Amino acid sequence: DQQVKQNSPSLSVQEGRISILNCDYTNSMFDYFLWYKKYPAEGPTFLISISSIKDKNEDGRFTVFLNKSAKHLSLHIVPSQPGDSAVYFCAATDGGTSYGKLTFGQGTILTVHP
Amino acid sequence: GAVVSQHPSRVICKSGTSVKIECRSLDFQATTMFWYRQFPKQSLMLMATSNEGSKATYEQGVEKDKFLINHASLTLSTLTVTSAHPEDSSFYICSASVGREETQYFGPGTRLLVL
Repeated sequence: DQQVKQNSPSLSVQEGRISILNCDYTNSMFDYFLWYKKYPAEGPTFLISISSIKDKNEDGRFTVFLNKSAKHLSLHIVPSQPGDSAVYFCAATDGGTSYGKLTFGQGTILTVHP
Repeated sequence: GAVVSQHPSRVICKSGTSVKIECRSLDFQATTMFWYRQFPKQSLMLMATSNEGSKATYEQGVEKDKFLINHASLTLSTLTVTSAHPEDSSFYICSASVGREETQYFGPGTRLLVL
């Protein structure tokens, strides 16, 4: 039962353009969402998060949007840079009954071409 | 930012031996540490959650007698893979969080290869 899904296994974008990574979830109890970036053979690096009480959170080039009614979140990277090329995981947690436990999506490989 | 280290980064061992992986929070005290494993081209799967000074909570399907977790201090947790077999070969990653903060900070991971 995949509670967090990233349906696009890969995304290719030109440098300077916008990268949009999508994530869907099924568990309505999730109330906190995170995006991580991961290089091969390394641990994930935290990028940005959003609480369910918000619908948008921005940090520099990264913006996360949350649509609770659609159970959908997205990460926007503007402008995209070659160094952004990595695997991006979205994750979700239910702070109530399963505090701290993150459920990860399958990841999306982002490639930014110069 | 919060830094988490893991040691070793890579380990190769013979089938039947035990392997210990250390996870340390370097610049903060981690109330809770988590252990994940990742198979190639798959997502991170939570194995267990450990709080300092108490027994780890294992996810369904994870053998607690095979994957021993010790969280002896607020900065150190260890995962011991006992009697390792080739199917235990994987990428093991730890993470740590502070207090009620929900953001987890991940270590660089340990690549285990069991021959």
